Amino acid sequence: DSGVTQTPKHLITATGQRVTLRCSPRSGDLSVYWYQQSLDQGLQFLIQYYNGEERAKGNILERFSAQQFPDLHSELNLSSLELGDSALYFCASFGGDGDGYTFGSGTRLTVV
Amino acid sequence: AQSVTQLDSQVPVFEEAPVELRCNYSSSVSVYLFWYVQYPNQGLQLLLKYLSGSTLVKGINGFEAEFNKSQTSFHLRKPSVHISDTAEYFCAVSPRGDSSYKLIFGSGTRLLVRP
Repeated sequence: DSGVTQTPKHLITATGQRVTLRCSPRSGDLSVYWYQQSLDQGLQFLIQYYNGEERAKGNILERFSAQQFPDLHSELNLSSLELGDSALYFCASFGGDGDGYTFGSGTRLTVV
Repeated sequence: AQSVTQLDSQVPVFEEAPVELRCNYSSSVSVYLFWYVQYPNQGLQLLLKYLSGSTLVKGINGFEAEFNKSQTSFHLRKPSVHISDTAEYFCAVSPRGDSSYKLIFGSGTRLLVRP
């Protein structure tokens, strides 16, 4: 157990639907990052939150949004899903240079 | 902008043989450098990182990497691999001075260790 918890582990949904992925960071870490891993795009940075505020944005589609709550857990919302959104979505928390990143085990999203 | 190139998509090697996984990067600013390993159906685990200091970095599971600034490379090596090292390996950079500490990943190299 890495200390970063992601739920659900697997998600199958239809095109056009909306889903929410959840992440609880490692205890004490204020930063949460979301990454997407797909066969054609590889591992891509989507978005970062730090202590409830958006800190950085990467290649995140407008159909996707995220937030970090006061208890520091984060949710990634994916809407109007397309087949190409099928991927493994990772959450990671960051504890500073010394500790670095800790990744969760990911949520595998399949859009059918 | 930064980019990371892992030239080898797959590296087959026999057990107990040495291995080198290549990583080159491009960046207009200095970067921190990382190697991660991903076992099947698992998340990414940090193998080693270069932040500053000695250019030879030792990590977990007997892996090491050497930062070469002039060649903008950060190749990963292990003198003797085990079957259990079969996994996907990712090289990543993070720009210094970027307060987000986001990671830019290479496309990955699948290490396949054969008995």
